[in-house]
Amino acid sequence: GAGVSQSPSNKVTEKGKDVELRCDPISGHTALYWYRQSLGQGLEFLIYFQGNSAPDKSGLPSDRFSAERTGGSVSTLTIQRTQQEDSAVYLCASSIPGLDYNEQFFGPGTRLTVL
Amino acid sequence: AQSVTQPDIHITVSEGASLELRCNYSYGATPYLFWYVQSPGQGLQLLLKYFSGDTLVQGIKGFEAEFKRSQSSFNLRKPSVHWSDAAEYFCAVGIKAAGNKLTFGGGTRVLVKP
Repeated sequence: GAGVSQSPSNKVTEKGKDVELRCDPISGHTALYWYRQSLGQGLEFLIYFQGNSAPDKSGLPSDRFSAERTGGSVSTLTIQRTQQEDSAVYLCASSIPGLDYNEQFFGPGTRLTVL
Repeated sequence: AQSVTQPDIHITVSEGASLELRCNYSYGATPYLFWYVQSPGQGLQLLLKYFSGDTLVQGIKGFEAEFKRSQSSFNLRKPSVHWSDAAEYFCAVGIKAAGNKLTFGGGTRVLVKP
């Protein structure tokens, strides 16, 4: 079946603009994660969804970052008033939580460049 | 909080030679341990994982890793490297109590010489 998809694959924006990044998880995967990959910080966890709720938002770097998930499927990560330090690759992953740890399947990422 | 260290930022290896990538973690109990590979322009692909049981785990593409509790290590190995193994490799820790979110090491970039 289809894997995790993300759109857009690349986004270039000007400092101060808002951006929305989209993630379509694998069908039936109730858990969804956002990570950020940047040169200075490596791979960092941002937020975790179980269904439509986000029990762990601890990785969101500031209140300019928010995310939502609707219908237990698609998720949108929104960055308001973008700054140059927001430039990174944003990765989404999904999994089926269960008794044992379940593999997280990653999407190809969205490369965000803030000019 | 848990942390993961990959001491080697870059490793260069000749094709056909063996490869070992180091990973050390810090966590109060035995976490779930993973190795992911990221080829240029690609997403992360799971190579192998350790939850419990046999401390030597086999993965895809001929990779294996050994969990050593006493050393808090989970080193990745491959007996004979192929040019297609050139990529960046990430070790990660997952904590079930933390929603299974992953904490990643800084990554090791592997270059394969012909």
